[in-house]
Amino acid sequence: AQKITQTQPGMFVQEKEAVTLDCTYDTSDQSYGLFWYKQPSSGEMIFLIYQGSYDEQNATEGRYSLNFQKARKSANLVISASQLGDSAMYFCAMRAFTGANSKLTFGKGITLSVRP
Amino acid sequence: GAGVSQSPRYKVAKRGQDVALRCDPISGHVSLFWYQQALGQGPEFLTYFQNEAQLDKSGLPSDRFFAERPEGSVSTLKIQRTQQEDSAVYLCASSLSLSTDTQYFGPGTRLTVL
Repeated sequence: AQKITQTQPGMFVQEKEAVTLDCTYDTSDQSYGLFWYKQPSSGEMIFLIYQGSYDEQNATEGRYSLNFQKARKSANLVISASQLGDSAMYFCAMRAFTGANSKLTFGKGITLSVRP
Repeated sequence: GAGVSQSPRYKVAKRGQDVALRCDPISGHVSLFWYQQALGQGPEFLTYFQNEAQLDKSGLPSDRFFAERPEGSVSTLKIQRTQQEDSAVYLCASSLSLSTDTQYFGPGTRLTVL
């Protein structure tokens, strides 16, 4: 079974600054993937970034980067140069790549508010 | 191209009514997933399909919940005799295959049971 922990209740950041959203996970699987999704108030889950457990380098996608520390089982999302449109809920999720289980397990999410 | 679409976007049902929620995955996507998201929580897995085969329905909360994907494309999640605890957002996601592909989500259907 997989477990995702997101303990930050809410985060505030000034526009144009960087922010880190924390995520820790627990799994007994050796092969797995970690994902971050953004959910604005409209409700749609928007895929941001993916990190595979065997990837040696941290994933980056534009202003998003993933600080992956496998030994600590953490996969923090870093958003650089925050924009007002980044205000949303952010979910960390994982899935195992062993067996036939392809479901995503999500954390409870973090609310990010960007101040002008 | 077109993303995942869901209909209706909002549904209000009286307790005891049956509801049907529709999901149109991204064209060509083999895998389709349903999740339930309670207010203030992360999505919880309900069930998934590979083509028309339902490979895992372990997340369905009761036998009042039923999902189908008869032709391997559009899927319907049906809830019979709705209860107030069924009120949630129901999210559908699709991926190209069952391997390592990213799941892309639709906008969800917000179900309110009165």
